[in-house]
Amino acid sequence: EAGVVQSPRYKIIEKKQPVAFWCNPISGHNTLYWYRQNLGQGPELLIRYENEEAVDDSQLPKDRFSAERLKGVDSTLKIQPAELGDSAVYLCASSLGQGVETQYFGPGTRLLVL
Amino acid sequence: DAKTTQPPSMDCAEGRAANLPCNHSTISGNEYVYWYRQIHSQGPQYIIHGLKNNETNEMASLIITEDRKSSTLILPHATLRDTAVYYCIVRVGNSGGSNYKLTFGKGTLLTVNP
Repeated sequence: EAGVVQSPRYKIIEKKQPVAFWCNPISGHNTLYWYRQNLGQGPELLIRYENEEAVDDSQLPKDRFSAERLKGVDSTLKIQPAELGDSAVYLCASSLGQGVETQYFGPGTRLLVL
Repeated sequence: DAKTTQPPSMDCAEGRAANLPCNHSTISGNEYVYWYRQIHSQGPQYIIHGLKNNETNEMASLIITEDRKSSTLILPHATLRDTAVYYCIVRVGNSGGSNYKLTFGKGTLLTVNP
């Protein structure tokens, strides 16, 4: 069974540029999460989707971050414009939902903002 | 979710058992203990979880004390590929409300030496 797929794996951009990350969850998983992991820290939740609905985006910096999960399958996380402090690893995870909440993570996208 | 305390780092000889401790003295009766690990440059990987009984799977064993205030993750025969940061997380097991959230600390860096 394929795991959570993320692309790109690495991205280097200059500040003020836009950037987008893509995630395809495990087939059949209704719940999708985006996390951000700063260097030396554990991942922190940014947003959670139940199917196509964002049910918790309280930790998403809405002035520059946006996310979507059209059709309730794959998802895109966007930053516009990027700032130096956005350099981090962006992780996507999915879970079956419906009471089964073990989360499975993708490999992440490592973003460097110069 | 209850806070956990883990040692920042541990060493283990290859082929020996690795015992990783976690204190969660404020755990509530309905909170599970989850363990994830993160190998360098990869996303977190689910290992095991439990409520009060000891659990074993193909990766590891989880020993939870009778008062549930602490637990130990056991890797019975550590290999070099087990070198990773190990996260102990406590959270409510059902998916209601905000209980889905995984709150990661800094974890324990386990180094398996040849």
